[in-house]
This record gives sequence, structure tokens and C-alpha cells, in this order.
Amino acid sequence: DPKIIQKPKYLVAVTGSEKILICEQYLGHNAMYWYRQSAKKPLEFMFSYSYQKLMDNQTASSRFQPQSSKKNHLDLQITALKPDDSATYFCASSQFGTNTEVFFGKGTRLTVV
Amino acid sequence: GDSVTQTEGLVTLTEGLPVMLNCTYQTIYSNPFLFWYVQHLNESPRLLLKSFTDNKRTEHQGFHATLHKSSSSFHLQKSSAQLSDSALYYCALSEPNSAGNKLTFGIGTRVLVRP
Repeated sequence: DPKIIQKPKYLVAVTGSEKILICEQYLGHNAMYWYRQSAKKPLEFMFSYSYQKLMDNQTASSRFQPQSSKKNHLDLQITALKPDDSATYFCASSQFGTNTEVFFGKGTRLTVV
Repeated sequence: GDSVTQTEGLVTLTEGLPVMLNCTYQTIYSNPFLFWYVQHLNESPRLLLKSFTDNKRTEHQGFHATLHKSSSSFHLQKSSAQLSDSALYYCALSEPNSAGNKLTFGIGTRVLVRP
């Protein structure tokens, strides 16, 4: 059974629209993250949250807003979507601290047309 | 900022032959943590190896790597490739005092093992 659940698996959106990517983890971790994987680019860190508080934000655009309603949830709201936002978005989690193993979900593949 | 450089593109090899994937890094920190993640087709990335100890070999599932701080390298090796090793391999770096355990990934190396 997957321990990090991401929904939906695939998503097609129109330019200018808004979407929310869902992530729940059942590993008992206290830190959650979002990473983005675009074509021909490395996996790119976006955000980290611990105990529902933002720890690190490496996303320049305010169009990307993480939302944490519960300790094991970290959704990603993306507004004013652009074709360049097309990517696979991975949710991940770990115990807070360095050198702890980060576990990844299966990703949401977003295509903006 | 931190950066990780890997062998780019596709590495094709024959089953039973050795594998070596290069990884070098740049960081201002003297004690970075280095990782190898593997991502099989339609799967999520998962941890393969990790190290923060200089010149100490770390092994898992037949793969091994040694962190060499003198050359800022963490190359991944396996003595005999298997068909199931076909996957995308990422080298990654974490800062020792990272508040959010941020991983900086390389571009990834795709490995295709043929019979």
C-alpha cells in the first residue's frame, strides 16, 4: 500500500486556471516537502514543512502556495497556471532533521495547455 | 548555492558488466550529506545509498559508493549489472544544517541494462 498518497495522478489544466495538488502521508513523519521534476531538469526542491510550519521556500513565485490542514497533509495550490508549470510534482516526507531518509510519493503529472 | 553534477544522458550496458555512475558536487559546507536515489519507470524515487563519512564505503543492494571530500565525489558502482537495475539514478546533496532537509539533485543518469 502506498504510504504517501498523491492525487490526482494526472492533471490537465488550462492556462490561467488554478489547481490544487493533494498529498497525504501515513508514515508518521513530521516533515513534508514538495519537489518538481520538469523535462530535462533535475528534481527541484520547492518547499519544506515541519509540524505544519513552513521551514524552507525555494520557489520564487507566489503562485505556488502550500497548504497544510493536518500534520500529515501538504497540498499545493497553483494559481494563474502557465505552460512552463507543466511538470511532475512529487510530495515527499521524512522525520525532521538532516540525513534522514526522504520518501517520495508517486507524483502528480501536470500538463498546462 | 549547492550543485550536483552527474554523468548525463543514457548509459547502456550489458547484463553482468560493471556499472559506474559519476557524481561530483559543489557546496560551501565541509560536512555535506550525499545520497543516491533510484527511480524505476512509473515509480517514485527511493533512497539507494547515503553517506556523510569521508572515505568510508557504503553498500546496499549490491551497489556501493564512497564519499571522497578531497575530490568532492560520490560515484556509484556495482560489480555486475542486472536487468532490474535499469532505472534513473539521482545523486543528491543535503546541507548539514538544513532546516528543512532540502535535497539538491543532479540531472539524473538513465541506465539501461541489456541481456
